[in-house]
Amino acid sequence: AQTVTQSQPEMSVQEAETVTLSCTYDTSESDYYLFWYKQPPSRQMILVIRQEAYKQQNATENRFSVNFQKAAKSFSLKISDSQLGDAAMYFCAYRSPNAGNMLTFGGGTRLMVKP
Amino acid sequence: DAGVIQSPRHEVTEMGQEVTLRCKPISGHDYLFWYRQTMMRGLELLIYFNNNVPIDDSGMPEDRFSAKMPNASFSTLKIQPSEPRDSAVYFCASSATGGYRGYTFGSGTRLTVV
Repeated sequence: AQTVTQSQPEMSVQEAETVTLSCTYDTSESDYYLFWYKQPPSRQMILVIRQEAYKQQNATENRFSVNFQKAAKSFSLKISDSQLGDAAMYFCAYRSPNAGNMLTFGGGTRLMVKP
Repeated sequence: DAGVIQSPRHEVTEMGQEVTLRCKPISGHDYLFWYRQTMMRGLELLIYFNNNVPIDDSGMPEDRFSAKMPNASFSTLKIQPSEPRDSAVYFCASSATGGYRGYTFGSGTRLTVV
């Protein structure tokens, strides 16, 4: 079974600065999908960004980008120009092509943004 | 689209009572998932359905938990009898086959069993 590890339980960043959240995963598969979800204090789970493993180009969504290192099984999230509204729990998730649509989530990283 | 709709948003009940959580997935989504979130255990998959059929219920903690999906637009998660350790946030999520877009989550039900 795949596992997803987020080694940073908490991170903090100064407003307007850049922060990178780490995620590693364990898999023997070559084709899969990776996701980052944001959970603000409202507890709503919001999809931030996604990456297909067969695409070499790193995904970007406005201030959010990923650094996908397939060989290293690493999928980090970079948040540029951090804003107070970015404060939230962030979850990394893995989807196997052989497990229906099931996602495996990491334990989460709590991001604090300092004004 | 109204998104995934869960009810109630909050539920407080006494130990031993039956609790029913409800979920309406996004129209056209053929997968539905129930997750439980706690501080200690994070996000745990309880059960998921494909085309209204339960596929994997290995995450259901014990026989006190049951889930149904009588049609494509409605699912329930029932706990009977409830216990204080069941206190958590329960999320429902849905997705379409292919899953490239990941899940769409409901806003969750915060369950407190006293």
